[in-house]
Amino acid sequence: AQRVTQPEKLLSVFKGAPVELKCNYSYSGSPELFWYVQYSRQRLQLLLRHISRESIKGFTADLNKGETSFHLKKPFAQEEDSAMYYCALGRGSTLGRLYFGRGTQLTVWP
Amino acid sequence: DAGVTQSPTHLIKTRGQQVTLRCSPKSGHDTVSWYQQALGQGPQFIFQYYEEEERQRGNFPDRFSGHQFPNYSSELNVNALLLGDSALYLCASSSLPNEQFFGPGTRLTVL
Repeated sequence: AQRVTQPEKLLSVFKGAPVELKCNYSYSGSPELFWYVQYSRQRLQLLLRHISRESIKGFTADLNKGETSFHLKKPFAQEEDSAMYYCALGRGSTLGRLYFGRGTQLTVWP
Repeated sequence: DAGVTQSPTHLIKTRGQQVTLRCSPKSGHDTVSWYQQALGQGPQFIFQYYEEEERQRGNFPDRFSGHQFPNYSSELNVNALLLGDSALYLCASSSLPNEQFFGPGTRLTVL
């Protein structure tokens, strides 16, 4: 069965500190992994996807198939990064169904 | 393009009632998915519509049904509401698999 685990419900860091939001998944096939972000009073929006290998707003995430992880990282957190972050898993065979983790609330203190 | 739009924003119903939620996809998108997000949880997939047919379904009872219209807009219907149906209902549209754009959601409260 597919499952996405985000072990931290809450994460707090100070501005300028590195931040890492953890995501582990279980799926035996070839996964597609995503990070979605939801800023206060805004809709859920795609932050990045592993196949594009982009860096968005300074965030990067590397798919580690051996550890079944897709951790989100940023070397220097900013206050505007404070938001709810969701890791999501998609499978090519399911034509768009996403499996979400429960989310991590990131707070960046000044 | 306003992106994905949903109506209404908020809704209060009582147990046993029926509710219809509406979604208009982003321009150019032909696929609509619905998700339920309970408080403190991530979104859970309900079902997906493509070419006016339900293409796949998550683990939700038959009380949850939907429809897609020729203009790609969609409705989610929930019958015999239970207290546990209280949640944020999200609509997402896409034109490519897995590249989904979400609406602002409809907050349903069942009393």
